[in-house]
Amino acid sequence: AQSVTQPDIHITVSEGASLELRCNYSYGATPYLFWYVQSPGQGLQLLLKYFSGDTLVQGIKGFEAEFKRSQSSFNLRKPSVHWSDAAEYFCAVEAGNMLTFGGGTRLMVKP
Amino acid sequence: GAVVSQHPSRVICKSGTSVKIECRSLDFQATTMFWYRQFPKQSLMLMATSNEGSKATYEQGVEKDKFLINHASLTLSTLTVTSAHPEDSSFYICSARDPQGSTGELFFGEGSRLTVL
Repeated sequence: AQSVTQPDIHITVSEGASLELRCNYSYGATPYLFWYVQSPGQGLQLLLKYFSGDTLVQGIKGFEAEFKRSQSSFNLRKPSVHWSDAAEYFCAVEAGNMLTFGGGTRLMVKP
Repeated sequence: GAVVSQHPSRVICKSGTSVKIECRSLDFQATTMFWYRQFPKQSLMLMATSNEGSKATYEQGVEKDKFLINHASLTLSTLTVTSAHPEDSSFYICSARDPQGSTGELFFGEGSRLTVL
């Protein structure tokens, strides 16, 4: 069965600083990989996804993620964080029509 | 893009009563919908897969008699929490995949926060 690990439960960055959120997965083959964002009390919004092809994928709101097969990672990055980016971020893996979420990383942005 | 809507967004009920949460796909037909549960500051856990016209498939450890799922039409799935207790208080989120969509993306509802007193 697949699993997803987000090592950082909380991350605080200053507005304008760069951001990287870590995600590691465990699965026998190449899975479909996703990053979602959740604002308090809200559902999930898809930021980006990787199915195949170019390992660097661009998403909405200036986010990007890089799939590294050798490291079983799919880290999310943003060059300059905005205060509105403060939210909970979930990495997810889909295999066999089942979506498995990581534990989430709460991002806080300092002014 | 495809939209999934849940209702109600918040519900408070007394212990022992039953609560129904609706999940609708607004502009596509979904033969399969998924129900997740999210405890405070935790991740989403898949509870069950709702299949139109047939029985839902429940994940291990989820009580099917406690969490009744009905997928009576291609645009509506309902989750009924029966004889609710305070430990059932949680954030419930549904999702559905547009079978006609090119990306296979799962679309999520806004979530429903249940508080059982």
